[in-house]
Amino acid sequence: EDQVTQSPEALRLQEGESSSLNCSYTVSGLRGLFWYRQDPGKGPEFLFTLYSAGEEKEKERLKATLTKKESFLHITAPKPEDSATYLCAVQALINYGQNFVFGPGTRLSVLP
Amino acid sequence: DVKVTQSSRYLVKRTGEKVFLECVQDMDHENMFWYRQDPGLGLRLIYFSYDVKMKEKGDIPEGYSVSREKKERFSLILESTSTNQTSMYLCASSLGLNRSYNSPLHFGNGTRLTVT
Repeated sequence: EDQVTQSPEALRLQEGESSSLNCSYTVSGLRGLFWYRQDPGKGPEFLFTLYSAGEEKEKERLKATLTKKESFLHITAPKPEDSATYLCAVQALINYGQNFVFGPGTRLSVLP
Repeated sequence: DVKVTQSSRYLVKRTGEKVFLECVQDMDHENMFWYRQDPGLGLRLIYFSYDVKMKEKGDIPEGYSVSREKKERFSLILESTSTNQTSMYLCASSLGLNRSYNSPLHFGNGTRLTVT
């Protein structure tokens, strides 16, 4: 069964304190791994797609990396506006490629 | 930018009422999805559609039905609401497999449904 776990469940950082969020996955065949940001009361906002081990993507203070079993979202010098829940999802090859499995998310708080 | 628009942000209904949740996307995406999101349970797929008039059950289809009469529009129908359908409902869309190997989902801002 395809599964996604994320750690930590919640993370509090001081402004400027860099850290990483982890997404571990098991999937029968990986079509893609996706990172999303979700603000309270809103829908998830797409950040990155990764699909091969060793791949890296960057956007402002965020960098996502991928290995065969996990992905990391590195946050460099975070600001309070980076506070949100970060979701990881994998897309499997089965079921017409529509089978997305989401992790439970990491709730990030960045304190000024 | 992809825009996925859900017709209502907040709805309050009484048990047994019928509810239509409407979703429209403006990027000519083939695939459309309905999820619900609950604390501690994460995102769960209710139904998805990969073409007009086509639908597939997701993980939790019981108590729901869907309609896709036009490519840009996907409706979720709750025939007779119950309190356990109180949730955040999220619509999403993506490119079909014939156009993208691994298109991400693009979400709307959700409808918070409360059933009393």
